[in-house]
Amino acid sequence: EPEVTQTPSHQVTQMGQEVILRCVPISNHLYFYWYRQILGQKVEFLVSFYNNEISEKSEIFDDQFSVERPDGSNFTLKIRSTKLEDSAMYFCASSERRGVYQPQHFGDGTRLSIL
Amino acid sequence: DQQVKQNSPSLSVQEGRISILNCDYTNSMFDYFLWYKKYPAEGPTFLISISSIKDKNEDGRFTVFLNKSAKHLSLHIVPSQPGDSAVYFCAVPVGAPGGTSYGKLTFGQGTILTVHP
Repeated sequence: EPEVTQTPSHQVTQMGQEVILRCVPISNHLYFYWYRQILGQKVEFLVSFYNNEISEKSEIFDDQFSVERPDGSNFTLKIRSTKLEDSAMYFCASSERRGVYQPQHFGDGTRLSIL
Repeated sequence: DQQVKQNSPSLSVQEGRISILNCDYTNSMFDYFLWYKKYPAEGPTFLISISSIKDKNEDGRFTVFLNKSAKHLSLHIVPSQPGDSAVYFCAVPVGAPGGTSYGKLTFGQGTILTVHP
């Protein structure tokens, strides 16, 4: 069964450094998402992406965050200058077509640890 | 943001018995509901969904019930198996104000299910 893949599985970065989290969505999916889960908290929506532009973003997704689909397969989340509170599990997801009724498929996440 | 609430942080069940996981929501305009399962070190996996035009949806051992008047849904697992031990999340797609939803999901806090052999 096709799956969403994320790399790396664990990223350790010094505060203030830039970090790029990578995702390869399922190949025929058109809608892409990033979520995060801080330890002990809910899974939270960050951003959705369709047709090479952001469709929606949460208040968490400030100017320090950006997303990109640099080629036909990768989808990246960049944090420009990391803060301690950015430490979390980051999940990429994709869905097959537009609409609220398509379940999103999630990757296994990248654990981001900011020191 | 408490649009979706799972009030039981954990549930422990004997193998072969029924597991019932509960979820409450606040907005009567929500029209689609999903359940995800999550194992440690893995991402959420879609399990089952239900549209608001239905009050029940069944898939093998998993059944989701929707009570719109109470704004409550539940996931029943019968019979429960040790491999069902995981965190279960209910989730709702929430639309952007004034626009078409792209399926942004709002999750509950999750319930840790432990099924004992």
